[in-house]
Amino acid sequence: DADVTQTPRNRITKTGKRIMLECSQTKGHDRMYWYRQDPGLGLRLIYYSFDVKDINKGEISDGYSVSRQAQAKFSLSLESAIPNQTALYFCATSDPPQGTDTQYFGPGTRLTVL
Amino acid sequence: GQNIDQPTEMTATEGAIVQINCTYQTSGFNGLFWYQQHAGEAPTFLSYNVLDGLEEKGRFSSFLSRSKGYSYLLLKELQMKDSASYLCAVDDSNYQLIWGAGTKLIIKP
Repeated sequence: DADVTQTPRNRITKTGKRIMLECSQTKGHDRMYWYRQDPGLGLRLIYYSFDVKDINKGEISDGYSVSRQAQAKFSLSLESAIPNQTALYFCATSDPPQGTDTQYFGPGTRLTVL
Repeated sequence: GQNIDQPTEMTATEGAIVQINCTYQTSGFNGLFWYQQHAGEAPTFLSYNVLDGLEEKGRFSSFLSRSKGYSYLLLKELQMKDSASYLCAVDDSNYQLIWGAGTKLIIKP
């Protein structure tokens, strides 16, 4: 079984719709992240969370919100989707006390906003 | 500002050696990562360097010079399955990784 899972894997939605992307992990890591990836651009950080009570904005948080329901679950919401939010979204986890802040990624969600 | 530069695309021949460079300017430094990403898939961890020098791991090696703000990933005995994007990322000691845009490596027979 995969350590980091994301649902859905693909989603097509319309402008103005609210959508939620979910991430679950069985790695036992405290830190979780949401990124988006666009062609020709690097991974850009949307939000990150170091534990259930600690949530922080990343580089591009406008138009997004998150919820850390438990250590293992971190959800990303688009309150009112717009076409330029069409992208590949990745969830990642890390556990720095193990030595390095190596991040482990889920399989990604491909989101298309029409 | 924070900046990571790597070539957009490189082409190499199966069985050959290729070196992918990464230069960085960040406010802090707590290590540099290399990830491999096949098209449409998740990035997967390849290597981590925090001290100067070469780290070898099978066909892949990674080098770091902190004074020059420079790293490279060396891939030997290239195989077709090595066709992928290679992402350089720096831990800036500020709880985030700063990511380069990635280098797309094309392997030709």
